[in-house]
Amino acid sequence: QLQLQESGPGLVKPSETLSLTCTISGGSISDSSYYWGWIRQPPGKGPEWIGTIFYSGSTSYNPSLKSRVIISVDTSKNQFSLKLSSVTAADTAVYYCAGALTGPYTWFDPWGQGALVTVSS
Amino acid sequence: EIVLTQSPGTLSLSPGERATLSCRASQSVSSNYLAWYQQKPGQAPRLVVYGASSRATGIPDRFSGSGSGTDFTLTISRLEPEDLAVYYCQQYGTSPTFGRGTKVEIK
Repeated sequence: QLQLQESGPGLVKPSETLSLTCTISGGSISDSSYYWGWIRQPPGKGPEWIGTIFYSGSTSYNPSLKSRVIISVDTSKNQFSLKLSSVTAADTAVYYCAGALTGPYTWFDPWGQGALVTVSS
Repeated sequence: EIVLTQSPGTLSLSPGERATLSCRASQSVSSNYLAWYQQKPGQAPRLVVYGASSRATGIPDRFSGSGSGTDFTLTISRLEPEDLAVYYCQQYGTSPTFGRGTKVEIK
């Protein structure tokens, strides 16, 4: 059964870079059936798609975040990662990683449990 | 960007009642590329429906999705206490976007 787990710092200072890693278990990141995505959810709000990556390294990003986001993949560790630069308090959210069948624009299933990241000095 | 508007904001119903949740898109969603998620308190969202009407694995048949174009509906035919959650719609015909959710409360 495919499972995903986010990891990384829970507190990031304003103007710095948020970095998170998603570790996949019960499956391979190189499975060509799946793309891999990052989604975030600010407290009390709906989710927001950040971006999606294929194991080859091909990426798709939310246009509103594209200038600050890098998503990368490490097939040797069965992991993919998120970097979001120049963060502000508006980037405070629970960050989820998820599997995405069929393509970069698709539904998300399964999801990791989420990692709360707070941006504060 | 396609904006999804969900209504009502909160739905308060008794067990056994029928719940009808609406999701309206600001422009037509291509190929009915619309999904619904259930998020229980303190948990990650869980896929309920994809392709507007296909139930995800393990989802009870009391959940059904319908609609096309700009208007979509998630129906819970007979509400159970464990259906207490916030439900989100998501379109993936273009750069994915989510609605703001409908909270289902059990009386």
